Amino acid sequence: SQQGEEDPQALSIQEGENATMNCSYKTSINNLQWYRQNSGRGLVHLILIRSNEREKHSGRLRVTLDTSKKSSSLLITASRAADTASYFCAPYQAGTALIFGKGTTLSVSS
Amino acid sequence: KAGVTQTPRYLIKTRGQQVTLSCSPISGHRSVSWYQQTPGQGLQFLFEYFSETQRNKGNFPGRFSGRQFSNSRSEMNVSTLELGDSALYLCASSFWGDTQYFGPGTRLTVL
Repeated sequence: SQQGEEDPQALSIQEGENATMNCSYKTSINNLQWYRQNSGRGLVHLILIRSNEREKHSGRLRVTLDTSKKSSSLLITASRAADTASYFCAPYQAGTALIFGKGTTLSVSS
Repeated sequence: KAGVTQTPRYLIKTRGQQVTLSCSPISGHRSVSWYQQTPGQGLQFLFEYFSETQRNKGNFPGRFSGRQFSNSRSEMNVSTLELGDSALYLCASSFWGDTQYFGPGTRLTVL
């Protein structure tokens, strides 16, 4: 099992701006997932990108994956106050546990 | 489909006691994972059960244990509670073990 390392640790933006957070990992993966957690609640799965995919979109979310650099990025476009949360990436290898890093705390102010 | 449920949602115990937390996964899911979340240590993996067998284990002392029943429901037990065990305990279920669906968590306070 391996955990991803998110960067930056904290990000503050205004509503309407885009938010970009990055994730790095160490060894080969089958897929990489992004989750969101609102304060004190369980995590919510946002998007999964497979190792043979380079980019994936879901609503206002865009995820990229560069397996040669072992990195991924999550872009949230036109951020809203409701996007305020912690975001975690989780690199996954089949049969292993899904491990989470410390996350990126996103604050969107109106 | 009903989501992952965890009981109880809140719990207060005193040092030295033991506690059992319960998790009911999404119907059809065979994998249940447990995580501990604290402000200082973040989200840490405890263990994963798949079809009643412990498949993966995190780096926690033996006071933390778990099990999974034939209906995929899972329990985790913490014996001899310490103040540092105060945390949000999250359970997540999955069909194969990759995409996790989390419950709302159990907030444990140890006094």
